[in-house]
Amino acid sequence: QSVLTQPPSASGTPGQRVTISCSGSSSNIGSNYVYWYQQLPGTAPKLLIYRNNQRPSGVPDRFSGSKSGTSASLAISGLRSEDEADYYCAAWDDSLSGQGVFGGGTKLTVL
Amino acid sequence: EVQLVESGGGLVQPGRSLRLSCAASGFTFDDYAMHWVRQAPGKGLEWVSGISWNSGSIGYADSVKGRFTISRDNAKNSLYLQMNSLRAEDTALYYCAKGGEWLRFRSQFDYWGQGTLVTVSS
Repeated sequence: QSVLTQPPSASGTPGQRVTISCSGSSSNIGSNYVYWYQQLPGTAPKLLIYRNNQRPSGVPDRFSGSKSGTSASLAISGLRSEDEADYYCAAWDDSLSGQGVFGGGTKLTVL
Repeated sequence: EVQLVESGGGLVQPGRSLRLSCAASGFTFDDYAMHWVRQAPGKGLEWVSGISWNSGSIGYADSVKGRFTISRDNAKNSLYLQMNSLRAEDTALYYCAKGGEWLRFRSQFDYWGQGTLVTVSS
């Protein structure tokens, strides 16, 4: 069981907007930044969002992140077929000797 | 261009040891924390261990604490993971990842290597 909770799957059609949730606790999401990573099939993870809602250069503005309390969300607008991937949220946890924690991942299917 | 190249993976029997290496290039290595993240076959990501730019701060996941040791050699731009008393549940693809913020231990992982596969089996 992962420390952060994500839905195992999500889906949408091209052009749609989808959101992926990530639930944690006061010791991780509630008191630290949230990060999001995209893992395309057969490849290494890629940073998508940092500091809750910041996009690294090169990440399209179709991707956005938000955080409220002990939960966070990743939104993808204008869904494209190449967005089909696994998405992971992550944070640092103050109660686990400062360990890094991930969500279990959400597999996004573009129908 | 940032590059992280892991090596040292392979097939090892339970209880034995293995040492992973990560060769870094394309950035000022001794300005950033470095981390190991693993992914068991068909499973999600798990943070394993991290080390600050000057080795002053080190952290481990509970699942590997006491068995794994992380280290770095800034003169060689290299990161290491010494893995002892290996178990079947340590079987995974091990990624080397760069910390995203200058001198900060707890930050995002902004670059990842392609991983090295560790298989623990008799």
